Amino acid sequence: ETGVTQTPRHLVMGMTNKKSLKCEQHLGHNAMYWYKQSAKKPLELMFVYNFKEQTENNSVPSRFSPECPNSSHLFLHLHTLQPEDSALYLCASSQVGTSAEQYFGPGTRLTVT
Amino acid sequence: GQQLNQSPQSMFIQEGEDVSMNCTSSSIFNTWLWYKQDPGEGPVLLIALYKAGELTSNGRLTAQFGITRKDSFLNISASIPSDVGIYFCAGQGNYGQNFVFGPGTRLSVLP
Repeated sequence: ETGVTQTPRHLVMGMTNKKSLKCEQHLGHNAMYWYKQSAKKPLELMFVYNFKEQTENNSVPSRFSPECPNSSHLFLHLHTLQPEDSALYLCASSQVGTSAEQYFGPGTRLTVT
Repeated sequence: GQQLNQSPQSMFIQEGEDVSMNCTSSSIFNTWLWYKQDPGEGPVLLIALYKAGELTSNGRLTAQFGITRKDSFLNISASIPSDVGIYFCAGQGNYGQNFVFGPGTRLSVLP
Protein backbone atom coordinates (compact mmCIF):
# COMPACT_ATOMS: atom_id res chain seq x y z
CA GLU A 1 0.00 0.00 0.00
CA THR A 2 1.19 3.49 -0.74
CA GLY A 3 0.08 6.95 0.26
CA VAL A 4 -2.97 7.33 2.46
CA THR A 5 -5.61 4.61 2.59
CA GLN A 6 -9.10 4.76 4.07
CA THR A 7 -11.63 2.04 4.86
CA PRO A 8 -14.42 1.53 4.26
CA ARG A 9 -14.88 3.49 1.04
CA HIS A 10 -18.65 3.54 1.48
CA LEU A 11 -20.74 3.25 4.63
CA VAL A 12 -24.47 3.39 5.22
CA MET A 13 -25.56 3.51 8.83
CA GLY A 14 -28.67 4.16 10.85
CA MET A 15 -28.85 6.90 13.43
CA THR A 16 -28.55 4.44 16.31
CA ASN A 17 -25.55 2.53 14.91
CA LYS A 18 -21.93 2.72 16.01
CA LYS A 19 -19.27 2.47 13.35
CA SER A 20 -15.64 3.45 12.85
CA LEU A 21 -13.69 4.89 9.95
CA LYS A 22 -10.07 3.92 9.55
CA CYS A 23 -7.16 5.79 7.98
CA GLU A 24 -3.60 4.62 7.50
CA GLN A 25 -0.71 6.59 6.05
CA HIS A 26 2.37 4.93 4.54
CA LEU A 27 4.35 8.16 4.04
CA GLY A 28 6.23 8.31 7.33
CA HIS A 29 4.36 11.48 8.31
CA ASN A 30 3.77 12.62 11.88
CA ALA A 31 0.55 14.62 11.54
CA MET A 32 -2.89 13.35 10.58
CA TYR A 33 -6.18 15.10 9.93
CA TRP A 34 -9.91 14.42 9.55
CA TYR A 35 -11.90 16.62 7.17
CA LYS A 36 -15.58 16.64 6.29
CA GLN A 37 -16.59 17.42 2.70
CA SER A 38 -20.26 18.23 2.10
CA ALA A 39 -21.79 19.10 -1.24
CA LYS A 40 -21.11 22.68 -2.35
CA LYS A 41 -19.15 23.56 0.79
CA PRO A 42 -15.40 23.99 1.31
CA LEU A 43 -13.51 21.29 3.13
CA GLU A 44 -14.12 21.52 6.88
CA LEU A 45 -11.28 20.61 9.22
CA MET A 46 -12.49 18.41 12.08
CA PHE A 47 -9.48 17.12 14.01
CA VAL A 48 -5.69 17.40 13.92
CA TYR A 49 -3.17 15.06 15.50
CA ASN A 50 0.54 15.90 15.74
CA PHE A 51 2.79 13.10 16.98
CA LYS A 52 -0.34 11.19 18.16
CA GLU A 53 -1.52 14.12 20.27
CA GLN A 54 -4.75 15.89 19.40
CA THR A 55 -3.96 19.54 18.74
CA GLU A 56 -7.21 20.65 17.18
CA ASN A 57 -10.89 19.93 17.70
CA ASN A 58 -12.73 22.28 15.43
CA SER A 59 -15.97 22.45 17.46
CA VAL A 60 -16.96 18.99 16.31
CA PRO A 61 -20.00 17.38 18.00
CA SER A 62 -19.19 14.65 20.49
CA ARG A 63 -20.93 12.03 18.34
CA PHE A 64 -17.63 12.08 16.39
CA SER A 65 -14.76 10.67 18.43
CA PRO A 66 -11.24 10.47 16.97
CA GLU A 67 -8.50 8.10 18.02
CA CYS A 68 -4.84 8.12 17.01
CA PRO A 69 -3.03 5.07 18.45
CA ASN A 70 0.21 5.83 16.55
CA SER A 71 1.45 8.25 13.93
CA SER A 72 0.40 5.95 11.08
CA HIS A 73 -3.18 5.22 12.06
CA LEU A 74 -6.21 7.41 12.66
CA PHE A 75 -9.76 6.40 13.47
CA LEU A 76 -13.04 8.24 13.58
CA HIS A 77 -15.62 6.58 15.80
CA LEU A 78 -19.22 7.41 14.97
CA HIS A 79 -22.31 7.03 17.14
CA THR A 80 -25.87 8.38 17.08
CA LEU A 81 -25.24 10.37 13.93
CA GLN A 82 -27.76 12.61 12.21
CA PRO A 83 -28.73 12.60 8.53
CA GLU A 84 -26.93 15.94 8.08
CA ASP A 85 -23.69 14.13 8.96
CA SER A 86 -23.85 12.38 5.59
CA ALA A 87 -20.77 13.50 3.67
CA LEU A 88 -17.38 12.43 2.33
CA TYR A 89 -14.94 12.06 5.23
CA LEU A 90 -11.35 12.62 4.19
CA CYS A 91 -8.19 11.74 6.05
CA ALA A 92 -4.91 13.53 5.32
CA SER A 93 -1.35 13.43 6.59
CA SER A 94 1.66 15.72 6.53
CA GLN A 95 5.17 15.99 7.93
CA VAL A 96 5.36 18.58 10.68
CA GLY A 97 8.59 20.53 10.65
CA THR A 98 9.66 20.08 7.03
CA SER A 99 6.76 20.53 4.64
CA ALA A 100 3.22 21.87 4.91
CA GLU A 101 1.91 19.68 2.10
CA GLN A 102 -1.05 17.53 3.06
CA TYR A 103 -1.76 14.28 1.27
CA PHE A 104 -5.30 12.96 1.23
CA GLY A 105 -6.82 9.52 1.23
CA PRO A 106 -9.68 8.54 -1.11
CA GLY A 107 -12.33 9.25 1.52
CA THR A 108 -15.24 7.36 3.05
CA ARG A 109 -18.65 8.22 1.61
CA LEU A 110 -20.96 8.13 4.64
CA THR A 111 -24.74 8.03 4.40
CA VAL A 112 -26.80 8.27 7.58
CA THR A 113 -30.36 7.01 7.24
CA GLY B 1 -12.29 33.77 9.95
CA GLN B 2 -10.11 33.43 6.89
CA GLN B 3 -11.91 32.55 3.67
CA LEU B 4 -10.80 31.79 0.15
CA ASN B 5 -12.72 32.56 -2.99
CA GLN B 6 -12.18 30.70 -6.23
CA SER B 7 -13.06 31.96 -9.67
CA PRO B 8 -14.70 30.82 -11.78
CA GLN B 9 -17.03 28.47 -9.88
CA SER B 10 -17.29 26.28 -12.95
CA MET B 11 -16.12 26.34 -16.53
CA PHE B 12 -16.71 24.44 -19.74
CA ILE B 13 -13.91 24.43 -22.28
CA GLN B 14 -13.05 22.68 -25.51
CA GLU B 15 -10.36 20.03 -25.52
CA GLY B 16 -7.05 21.63 -26.43
CA GLU B 17 -7.86 25.03 -24.91
CA ASP B 18 -5.87 26.64 -22.13
CA VAL B 19 -7.51 27.17 -18.73
CA SER B 20 -6.96 29.84 -16.08
CA MET B 21 -8.41 29.94 -12.60
CA ASN B 22 -7.61 31.89 -9.48
CA CYS B 23 -7.91 31.90 -5.74
CA THR B 24 -8.19 35.08 -3.69
CA SER B 25 -8.23 36.01 -0.04
CA SER B 26 -8.55 39.08 2.12
CA SER B 27 -5.73 37.72 4.30
CA ILE B 28 -2.07 37.18 3.54
CA PHE B 29 -0.94 33.59 3.10
CA ASN B 30 2.59 32.19 3.18
CA THR B 31 1.85 28.86 1.50
CA TRP B 32 -0.51 27.95 -1.32
CA LEU B 33 -1.43 24.46 -2.40
CA TRP B 34 -3.42 23.41 -5.46
CA TYR B 35 -5.35 20.13 -5.53
CA LYS B 36 -7.47 18.26 -8.07
CA GLN B 37 -10.34 16.02 -7.01
CA ASP B 38 -11.95 13.42 -9.24
CA PRO B 39 -15.49 12.22 -8.47
CA GLY B 40 -15.56 9.78 -5.57
CA GLU B 41 -11.88 10.29 -4.77
CA GLY B 42 -9.80 12.39 -2.42
CA PRO B 43 -7.97 15.56 -3.50
CA VAL B 44 -4.59 14.97 -5.15
CA LEU B 45 -1.84 17.52 -4.59
CA LEU B 46 -0.76 19.19 -7.85
CA ILE B 47 1.53 22.05 -6.91
CA ALA B 48 2.86 23.67 -3.73
CA LEU B 49 3.99 27.33 -3.60
CA TYR B 50 6.05 28.81 -0.78
CA LYS B 51 7.30 32.20 -1.93
CA ALA B 52 5.56 35.34 -3.20
CA GLY B 53 5.99 35.64 -6.96
CA GLU B 54 7.00 31.99 -7.30
CA LEU B 55 6.00 30.29 -10.55
CA THR B 56 6.00 26.49 -10.51
CA SER B 57 5.11 23.98 -13.21
CA ASN B 58 4.00 20.36 -13.12
CA GLY B 59 3.65 19.11 -16.68
CA ARG B 60 0.91 21.12 -18.38
CA LEU B 61 0.03 22.82 -15.09
CA THR B 62 1.57 26.09 -13.93
CA ALA B 63 0.74 27.84 -10.69
CA GLN B 64 1.82 31.22 -9.37
CA PHE B 65 2.01 32.67 -5.88
CA GLY B 66 0.62 36.19 -6.19
CA ILE B 67 2.97 39.03 -5.35
CA THR B 68 0.51 40.48 -2.82
CA ARG B 69 0.39 37.08 -1.09
CA LYS B 70 -3.41 37.32 -1.20
CA ASP B 71 -3.92 35.33 -4.35
CA SER B 72 -2.74 32.43 -6.44
CA PHE B 73 -3.35 31.32 -10.00
CA LEU B 74 -3.47 27.96 -11.77
CA ASN B 75 -3.14 27.54 -15.51
CA ILE B 76 -3.63 24.36 -17.51
CA SER B 77 -2.36 24.31 -21.07
CA ALA B 78 -3.78 22.22 -23.92
CA SER B 79 -6.55 20.66 -21.85
CA ILE B 80 -7.44 16.99 -22.25
CA PRO B 81 -10.51 15.02 -21.10
CA SER B 82 -8.79 13.68 -17.99
CA ASP B 83 -8.38 17.27 -16.72
CA VAL B 84 -12.07 17.13 -15.77
CA GLY B 85 -12.59 17.51 -12.03
CA ILE B 86 -12.71 20.03 -9.22
CA TYR B 87 -9.64 22.15 -8.54
CA PHE B 88 -9.14 23.39 -4.98
CA CYS B 89 -6.74 25.94 -3.62
CA ALA B 90 -5.61 25.91 -0.01
CA GLY B 91 -3.79 28.66 1.85
CA GLN B 92 -1.80 28.66 5.06
CA GLY B 93 -1.11 31.84 7.03
CA ASN B 94 1.86 31.15 9.23
CA TYR B 95 3.76 27.87 9.24
CA GLY B 96 1.98 25.40 11.48
CA GLN B 97 -1.42 27.00 11.11
CA ASN B 98 -4.24 25.01 9.61
CA PHE B 99 -4.92 25.30 5.91
CA VAL B 100 -8.02 27.08 4.63
CA PHE B 101 -9.60 25.55 1.54
CA GLY B 102 -11.44 27.28 -1.26
CA PRO B 103 -14.83 26.07 -2.55
CA GLY B 104 -13.31 24.77 -5.77
CA THR B 105 -13.53 25.37 -9.51
CA ARG B 106 -15.34 22.64 -11.44
CA LEU B 107 -13.76 22.05 -14.85
CA SER B 108 -15.53 20.29 -17.70
CA VAL B 109 -13.71 19.53 -20.95
CA LEU B 110 -15.81 19.06 -24.07
CA PRO B 111 -14.41 16.82 -26.83
